[in-house]
Amino acid sequence: EAGVTQFPSHSVIEKGQTVTLRCDPISGHDNLYWYRRVMGKEIKFLLHFVKESKQDESGMPNNRFLAERTGGTYSTLKVQPAELEDSGVYFCASSPPMGFNYGYTFGSGTRLTVV
Amino acid sequence: SQQGEEDPQALSIQEGENATMNCSYKTSINNLQWYRQNSGRGLVHLILIRSNEREKHSGRLRVTLDTSKKSSSLLITASRAADTASYFCALSGNTPLVFGKGTRLSVIA
Repeated sequence: EAGVTQFPSHSVIEKGQTVTLRCDPISGHDNLYWYRRVMGKEIKFLLHFVKESKQDESGMPNNRFLAERTGGTYSTLKVQPAELEDSGVYFCASSPPMGFNYGYTFGSGTRLTVV
Repeated sequence: SQQGEEDPQALSIQEGENATMNCSYKTSINNLQWYRQNSGRGLVHLILIRSNEREKHSGRLRVTLDTSKKSSSLLITASRAADTASYFCALSGNTPLVFGKGTRLSVIA
């Protein structure tokens, strides 16, 4: 079984540019989550999809962040325009239906550096 | 705050010793989970303990949960250099997992 795949693994962009991160969850996992870890700080929740619907987006920092999960399969997280404070590691995770009874499977993350 | 708080923030031990990390929290939970993050890699799920369980084992890992004290501990026995990583507790309630700041474990060979 393939794990959670994230692309790209690293991205370096200039302030003001746009970056799109992609996450492919485990097939059959209805729940998809985005988290972010800024250097040395806690891992913060961004949002949660159930299939194609946004279940909880309370962690999205501002309207420069846009997440989509068309068709309930892979998800994208777009940052536009990127700011310096957006630098960090963005993790995607997925879990089966009734996900709170299971651990999450995380991808390896995308390290975003905004310069 | 909903997040768990790990203690200590950093721990350095010799190979072969045991490592104990603690997690305290304030909210009610369905379960509590422990994850490991090796440098530059993603989070790996280690173990899940439900709110009605008190202790759970997985290989060299032992997790306890005391819901009356709202605390959990992760014990790694006979540590190895490969156990060097950051360890996070994560709380599962009615919201997606909430992570603490982690404990940075260094195992010296």
